[in-house]
Amino acid sequence: KAGVTQTPRYLIKTRGQQVTLSCSPISGHRSVSWYQQTPGQGLQFLFEYFSETQRNKGNFPGRFSGRQFSNSRSEMNVSTLELGDSALYLCASRNQGGYEQYFGPGTRLTVT
Amino acid sequence: ELKVEQNPLFLSMQEGKNYTIYCNYSTTSDRLYWYRQDPGKSLESLFVLLSNGAVKQEGRLMASLDTKARLSTLHITAAVHDLSATYFCAVERAYDYKLSFGAGTTVTVRA
Repeated sequence: KAGVTQTPRYLIKTRGQQVTLSCSPISGHRSVSWYQQTPGQGLQFLFEYFSETQRNKGNFPGRFSGRQFSNSRSEMNVSTLELGDSALYLCASRNQGGYEQYFGPGTRLTVT
Repeated sequence: ELKVEQNPLFLSMQEGKNYTIYCNYSTTSDRLYWYRQDPGKSLESLFVLLSNGAVKQEGRLMASLDTKARLSTLHITAAVHDLSATYFCAVERAYDYKLSFGAGTTVTVRA
């Protein structure tokens, strides 16, 4: 079974631009979560989706948004990029009723 | 707000010796996770602990959970170089649908 995939793997953007990151969960998994990892703040929860519904959202400004499609693929969008948005963005998927979260390889975003 | 504290944050291990990483959390939680991260890589799941007294072992790693003390430990037996990585604990409350992570423990194993 294929693992969680994320695209693109690396991205360089300029301040003020916007970016969209994509996550394809493991086949059959309907829950997708997003996390931001930075050296200063560590791993922080962004949001979680299940069957196209956002069930929880972390403490991030409204510039961070996400969505999930009917095939469980998820995207997150960051508008008006700031230097502090440079991070590794990880998504994870989970089977319904399961405990294990499987993380993708991440997208490394650099904002210049 | 749920807080998760790991210590130590940095651990220099000598090959062949035993060490323990501690993970404390601030409020009642339903699940505790341990992950490993190699530099530049994603998170690899090591253990999921669900109940008080749970103990899981895989190779040189053993994790345990004391829900009354809100404490989990990751014990490393006879450290080897391959165990050099950053180890994270994370907790989750049912129906929160999110993991709250500790800051991570960076482990370096030296000969």
